[in-house]
Amino acid sequence: ILNVEQSPQSLHVQEGDSTNFTCSFPSSNFYALHWYRWETAKSPEALFVMTLNGDEKKKGRISATLNTKEGYSYLYIKGSQPEDSATYLCAFPVGNNRKLIWGLGTSLAVNP
Amino acid sequence: DTGVSQNPRHKITKRGQNVTFRCDPISEHNRLYWYRQTLGQGPEFLTYFQNEAQLEKSRLLSDRFSAERPKGSFSTLEIQRTEQGDSAMYLCASSLGPGLGFFGPGTRLTVL
Repeated sequence: ILNVEQSPQSLHVQEGDSTNFTCSFPSSNFYALHWYRWETAKSPEALFVMTLNGDEKKKGRISATLNTKEGYSYLYIKGSQPEDSATYLCAFPVGNNRKLIWGLGTSLAVNP
Repeated sequence: DTGVSQNPRHKITKRGQNVTFRCDPISEHNRLYWYRQTLGQGPEFLTYFQNEAQLEKSRLLSDRFSAERPKGSFSTLEIQRTEQGDSAMYLCASSLGPGLGFFGPGTRLTVL
């Protein structure tokens, strides 16, 4: 059974804090890792697709790194703002058809 | 608007009725996914298409659920004889191959 695990499950930080969370995935047969941002009452927003070991992607104050050998990716948010409050999901394509296996997400709350 | 669109956005129905949802993907995307999301959970995979071919259907999906993508463009998801447990947000996503998926706004189904 292939599992994608995310930690922590939830996080509460103060405005201005920097934070990071983890996505762990099977390291064998790696193809790619996707990060999504999901705000309440909206649909998931694509953030990054990571494909190469050592990849680092950045979008504004959000960045992500990838270690395919040990099977983890970190998502970093620098100087968190209340509008960053959302659930951050990672997804891992598997099988010949690359179906996405999802983590349960990290729920981030940024207090003003 | 060139994003993924879904209709209707909300549907309230009585138990036992049939409902049909529509998803219009981004035009050049050949893959289309259906997911279901219930409170506090990540997206639960239902089925997906590559062009008009339905490549996989979740074992969690009962025979009351059927999806089509007749011309490889828009897709419909039908639920027959709805049950209260079918109440959820139904999300559609499209992608170009196994790339990063872009989600529609979702259809929220409430079964009374």
